[in-house]
Amino acid sequence: DAGVTQSPTHLIKTRGQQVTLRCSPKSGHDTVSWYQQALGQGPQFIFQYYEEEERQRGNFPDRFSGHQFPNYSSELNVNALLLGDSALYLCASSLRATSSYNEQFFGPGTRLTVL
Amino acid sequence: QKEVEQNSGPLSVPEGAIASLNCTYSDRGSQSFFWYRQYSGKSPELIMFIYSNGDKEDGRFTAQLNKASQYVSLLIRDSQPSDSATYLCAVTKTSYDKVIFGPGTSLSVIP
Repeated sequence: DAGVTQSPTHLIKTRGQQVTLRCSPKSGHDTVSWYQQALGQGPQFIFQYYEEEERQRGNFPDRFSGHQFPNYSSELNVNALLLGDSALYLCASSLRATSSYNEQFFGPGTRLTVL
Repeated sequence: QKEVEQNSGPLSVPEGAIASLNCTYSDRGSQSFFWYRQYSGKSPELIMFIYSNGDKEDGRFTAQLNKASQYVSLLIRDSQPSDSATYLCAVTKTSYDKVIFGPGTSLSVIP
């Protein structure tokens, strides 16, 4: 049973650049959520995708955008990178259709460093 | 007031002791509560979830929920050095709502 996968593992960018991170959910899951985790802090919710639409959004600027594809995989795009965007970006998948409790399972994360 | 708060830690316990981790939340509409374990440099791993008042046991782990007090805790019995990690408390209101995480508590189990 394939778990949540993310790519790339590590990424180094410079200020002002744009980045795209990718996530494939756990087999059978239909919902993808993205989180930003700064060093020493808990994950902060960015947004959630279900049925190819953004369903929930956290307190992040419009520079953060996403997409979900028909196969449930998802992308996170960040434009005009700032130094403060350096963090571990986590993708979590869940099954919205039948789950009562919203258990989320995380991928290994993408470590983004902005120089 | 932050939505989810946890003991800042670090918490140190000797091997074999009981580790007690605490979490409070502000939204009375919260329905599901999760404990994740995160090893340094790794992603969070779900270890327990609870949705009814009372205790839920799974092996050496016991989650306790008191909705009236807006409090959830995690007890780890017979703590092992391999339990040394950051423990994240998370809450959500519905099965499709965003999940809000606390800042985490660092636990160190001393051999």
